[in-house]
Amino acid sequence: RKEVEQDPGPFNVPEGATVAFNCTYSNSASQSFFWYRQDCRKEPKLLMSVYSSGNEDGRFTAQLNRASQYISLLIRDSKLSDSATYLCVAVTGTASKLTFGTGTRLQVTL
Amino acid sequence: EAQVTQNPRYLITVTGKKLTVTCSQNMNHEYMSWYRQDPGLGLRQIYYSMNVEVTDKGDVPEGYKVSRKEKRNFPLILESPSPNQTSLYFCASRSAGTSSYNSPLHFGNGTRLTVT
Repeated sequence: RKEVEQDPGPFNVPEGATVAFNCTYSNSASQSFFWYRQDCRKEPKLLMSVYSSGNEDGRFTAQLNRASQYISLLIRDSKLSDSATYLCVAVTGTASKLTFGTGTRLQVTL
Repeated sequence: EAQVTQNPRYLITVTGKKLTVTCSQNMNHEYMSWYRQDPGLGLRQIYYSMNVEVTDKGDVPEGYKVSRKEKRNFPLILESPSPNQTSLYFCASRSAGTSSYNSPLHFGNGTRLTVT
């Protein structure tokens, strides 16, 4: 079983839709989590950290469920510019181990 | 501007010809790391460094070397490249202080390597 798993998608949604991705992690000792966005052939860029109480940044909401060992990303009012691959990351141990999921591809269409 | 700079952006080489990909960061980060990204496999860590003169293997270190002589630089060396090292490579850095588990990775803009 992979340490961090994501549904690869693609998720095809119309503009304005709400879409949610989940990411499961297997190591219960994981301390912190992030969501990154990656456009085709470009470097991953930090979208948001994931806090235990959940956090929101504009149209984006991140949640952490430690009991079930998953994190989620909710995107409201999808824009064409949201089309990208979304990577989740789990941080474990003495901050040296960051494990990436393989990413979920989102395609927002007119 | 805070950034991670890697060079070159594109590199085509032949099997066995030694090459170095440079990486430099200006954020005074202790932690630096190299990843390769291949379709369907995601980002896999090659080597990482927690500080100057401290390096460790990641998940796929075979065929690669690194060095960390200065805090800002973390070059990736392929002594004898092979076609299976054709990939997209990213360098990244982050703070490794006491609250470092909340510090995100900052990525360079990637090096696309083709080994023929």
